[in-house]
Amino acid sequence: NAGVTQTPKFQVLKTGQSMTLQCAQDMNHNSMYWYRQDPGMGLRLIYYSASEGTTDKGEVPNGYNVSRLNKREFSLRLESAAPSQTSVYFCASTRGGGLITFNYGYTFGSGTRLTVV
Amino acid sequence: AQTVTQSQPEMSVQEAETVTLSCTYDTSENNYYLFWYKQPPSRQMILVIRQEAYKQQNATENRFSVNFQKAAKSFSLKISDSQLGDTAMYFCAFMKHEGSGGSNYKLTFGKGTLLTVNP
Repeated sequence: NAGVTQTPKFQVLKTGQSMTLQCAQDMNHNSMYWYRQDPGMGLRLIYYSASEGTTDKGEVPNGYNVSRLNKREFSLRLESAAPSQTSVYFCASTRGGGLITFNYGYTFGSGTRLTVV
Repeated sequence: AQTVTQSQPEMSVQEAETVTLSCTYDTSENNYYLFWYKQPPSRQMILVIRQEAYKQQNATENRFSVNFQKAAKSFSLKISDSQLGDTAMYFCAFMKHEGSGGSNYKLTFGKGTLLTVNP
């Protein structure tokens, strides 16, 4: 099925460990995004990639890095995990173009629940 | 920077009744897009309804409609004939219009309103 695939779905890390969250879309979308969702905070943008080869910081980028490996894949890396990074992480994509994004919205992955102990 | 405020962390409604979720936003832009997303317990994000700021007519999608007040920067969601399946977290979201220099189509979300529909 076409869509956004995130792996893993669940992960428990120890403080200081590193890991990479993977995201891939098969819809030929240009723009990809990483959000984190915390109780009472909504979804906050971590990083985004407006097009292949570009990445930019969002609202809460500290402690994260990203790689837009190709048009399909956009990974999020935690170099040294901290308990404050316990969250649900969502990857999303859109074809790009404001009107297209308006008409079709974002396509979201199913999320990764990350716990840092 | 844009901000989106949802002042009701939680709401409840009886099945078949009508409920309104509030959303206000702050922006200096004249053209933009507004959205309501639904997140049921499955965690999936589902687009419910959308509105272009330059259109005065309020958007409707079946049982869902909005009350868009541009001058007041208000974008409330009305759910009519509430159903048990409407139980979910609802997020209001803002996106700049591409003509305003935004080429990245970032969504800015509110903190969400947890809606519970009771039988």
